Amino acid sequence: DAGVIQSPRHEVTEMGQEVTLRCKPISGHNSLFWYRQTMMRGLELLIYFNNNVPIDDSGMPEDRFSAKMPNASFSTLKIQPSEPRDSAVYFCASRGGGTYYEQYFGPGTRLTVT
Amino acid sequence: QQQVKQSPQSLIVQKGGISIINCAYENTAFDYFPWYQQFPGKGPALLIAIRPDVSEKKEGRFTISFNKSAKQFSLHIMDSQPGDSATYFCAASISGGYQKVTFGTGTKLQVIP
Repeated sequence: DAGVIQSPRHEVTEMGQEVTLRCKPISGHNSLFWYRQTMMRGLELLIYFNNNVPIDDSGMPEDRFSAKMPNASFSTLKIQPSEPRDSAVYFCASRGGGTYYEQYFGPGTRLTVT
Repeated sequence: QQQVKQSPQSLIVQKGGISIINCAYENTAFDYFPWYQQFPGKGPALLIAIRPDVSEKKEGRFTISFNKSAKQFSLHIMDSQPGDSATYFCAASISGGYQKVTFGTGTKLQVIP
């Protein structure tokens, strides 16, 4: 299995632009998580999907952030409009029923907003 | 109450030494405690995990010690190697339902030759 796939790996954009991050979870996994990692705040959970349904979005910082999971093999995290304080590494992770607790992380997308 | 406190923030250990990272939690409902290892430019990966019904779990050079009464757990890396240089996160979770994982703030370990 290729593992969790994220794209792009790096994104540089200007303040005010829309940014879309993409994630393909491991085939067969039914849970998907989006995290944000910064030096100041560490690893923060943004949103959790189970069977394509958002279960907990309490970590989404504000209305500028939105996430979708239209099917079991694809999810997006969108920031509109982006701000410099959104600069971080964004990780997607998936978890399957057979691996009860373990989350498998993707390589992350490093976002820089100038 | 959902926090997991981790220390130290950074750690430098000589090759062959023992690396020790400590974590503490408040929520007694936590019943699964994984440790994740993250190399630069990579996502975190599960290293080792423990349930509170045991006091210690060992996998190779990595050992988790768990003190339920003190609500503390720690990771020991024996015979530390330069290849162990990474950031380590402790975490805690509650089984059943959502199983949200609460992560510690991370410890950056550097093992010097």
